Amino acid sequence: GIQVEQSPPDLILQEGANSTLRCNFSDSVNNLQWFHQNPWGQLINLFYIPSGTKQNGRLSATTVATERYSLLYISSSQTTDSGVYFCASPNQAGTALIFGKGTTLSVSS
Amino acid sequence: NAGVMQNPRHLVRRRGQEARLRCSPMKGHSHVYWYRQLPEEGLKFMVYLQKENIIDESGMPKERFSAEFPKEGPSILRIQQVVRGDSAAYFCASSPGTGDRKEAFFGQGTRLTVV
Repeated sequence: GIQVEQSPPDLILQEGANSTLRCNFSDSVNNLQWFHQNPWGQLINLFYIPSGTKQNGRLSATTVATERYSLLYISSSQTTDSGVYFCASPNQAGTALIFGKGTTLSVSS
Repeated sequence: NAGVMQNPRHLVRRRGQEARLRCSPMKGHSHVYWYRQLPEEGLKFMVYLQKENIIDESGMPKERFSAEFPKEGPSILRIQQVVRGDSAAYFCASSPGTGDRKEAFFGQGTRLTVV
């Protein structure tokens, strides 16, 4: 089945710094989602991005489907950005999202 | 438009008891998915349902676990005779499941603790 790998596993930033999180997937996909799991455990949708680039405030994402990767950019990071960032892609049957293991981001003031 | 609603948020059960987790999808969504998250791990798919049908249960343990999504009412994930290893966060997601837009939205999860 499809494999989803995220890097780096952990990231520590000072407030105001920028960062790039990467998601590699093993097979061609027709959609990809990025989520933020906050310290309270809630999963928040960030981007639904099968291909191309999208921006939402300080966050943006780019998926290059032909090269099987997606990038999440966080600019001017804030302490509230802390948490775990997951990418997920559907399996071949389209019946489930396959999650990466996540990138744990800690932003300190 | 309310999001995906899960209840209870926290559930404590003694070993051997039954746990029932409920999920009401977003309005207009007819596809429901259940995932389990163990501490410090990512989400693992369990089961995918549409109204009155189980479409894919390949991620669900063969024993003690069952799921349903009746014509009326919420989807239910049922765990019988719980054991300590069942302690986890259980998330439900829903999607419209039609066309090219199949974005899934997640509820806040139910945190099950087996004592």
